[in-house]
Amino acid sequence: KNEVEQSPQNLTAQEGEFITINCSYSVGISALHWLQQHPGGGIVSLFMLSSGKKKHGRLIATINIQEKHSSLHITASHPRDSAVYICAAAMGGGADGLTFGKGTHLIIQP
Amino acid sequence: NAGVTQTPKFQVLKTGQSMTLQCAQDMNHNSMYWYRQDPGMGLRLIYYSASEGTTDKGEVPNGYNVSRLNKREFSLRLESAAPSQTSVYFCASRRSEVQETQYFGPGTRLLVL
Repeated sequence: KNEVEQSPQNLTAQEGEFITINCSYSVGISALHWLQQHPGGGIVSLFMLSSGKKKHGRLIATINIQEKHSSLHITASHPRDSAVYICAAAMGGGADGLTFGKGTHLIIQP
Repeated sequence: NAGVTQTPKFQVLKTGQSMTLQCAQDMNHNSMYWYRQDPGMGLRLIYYSASEGTTDKGEVPNGYNVSRLNKREFSLRLESAAPSQTSVYFCASRRSEVQETQYFGPGTRLLVL
């Protein structure tokens, strides 16, 4: 069974700061997902990656397959980035769902 | 294009009552999932359906049943609700068995007294 660990659990930062959220997993995966859960509860997929790096606006996600580690970075953070960020591992080979980390609760203060 | 929809948004049940959570997607996706989210824990897979007519257990299936009614709809039934089933339930879907983005519904908040 894959274990997915995220750190930190909680993060409070000032507007404009560079944010890093880390995710590690215990066994090999086919893909790693980063999700955002807004205060209202909705879950939105940010990235899915199996190697290297992806960028969308101010968000960057990287993955190191050998080290079983992924990071989500937010540049020039803004209060609207306040949310819970969740990483999830896809084991591959079938439609067997995702294994989720517990999430990182991010608060960006003005 | 509504994406993934769930009904109801919120429900209160008494212990022993039954109910069905409904989920529908209009993206022509093959795979559909039911997850539950509890405080301090990550989302956990209850059941999934790789295609119309097939369903499989996930990590926490006890106390639940599912039906893949057609390609669009995947329902989750609680036959005899228990307080331990108090949770937020999310339905999700994705296009195929290939690892792709999952799209989530807005969630159903269930309270079992």
